[in-house]
Amino acid sequence: EAGVAQSPRYKIIEKRQSVAFWCNPISGHATLYWYQQILGQGPKLLIQFQNNGVVDDSQLPKDRFSAERLKGVDSTLKIQPAKLEDSAVYLCASSPGQGAGGELFFGEGSRLTVL
Amino acid sequence: DQQVKQNSPSLSVQEGRISILNCDYTNSMFDYFLWYKKYPAEGPTFLISISSIKDKNEDGRFTVFLNKSAKHLSLHIVPSQPGDSAVYFCAGVVWTGNQFYFGTGTSLTVIP
Repeated sequence: EAGVAQSPRYKIIEKRQSVAFWCNPISGHATLYWYQQILGQGPKLLIQFQNNGVVDDSQLPKDRFSAERLKGVDSTLKIQPAKLEDSAVYLCASSPGQGAGGELFFGEGSRLTVL
Repeated sequence: DQQVKQNSPSLSVQEGRISILNCDYTNSMFDYFLWYKKYPAEGPTFLISISSIKDKNEDGRFTVFLNKSAKHLSLHIVPSQPGDSAVYFCAGVVWTGNQFYFGTGTSLTVIP
């Protein structure tokens, strides 16, 4: 079974530039998550999708971050314009769906450095 | 609002000894808890879970204990091995919304 795929693995940009991250979840997983992990901290939820609908985006800085999950499969997370404090690893995760129990399956992450 | 807390940022243990990683939570609505392990440059991987109605779950060298009255759980690794050196995250899960809340992590170093 293929795992959660993310790209790019690494990205370096200057502040005020834009960046986009892509995620393809495990096939059949209805729920997709984007987490931000700053060095020395735990993963912080940015947005949670159930199929192609947003379940929770309360911690997404909507003035600069956007995310979509077209057709309920893969997803993109965009930052525009980037700030220094956006330097972090962006983790995508998926799970079978609400009430299904079990664990999250994470991708390897996309490390963003904003200079 | 940090619903899950890991107050020890790091822990060093000799190979062969027991490692005990601790986690506290505030949300009494969590249905179960998970422990994840993360190596550098990799995504977190699932290690072990425990239902909120249990007080212990064991899987090989790994045992998780849950004390609901104290809102505390711990992960025991016995015996510890150098390959266990990683960052460990605990997470609380609200089943109905499939919501996962992570702690800040504990970096474990097992010294050969």
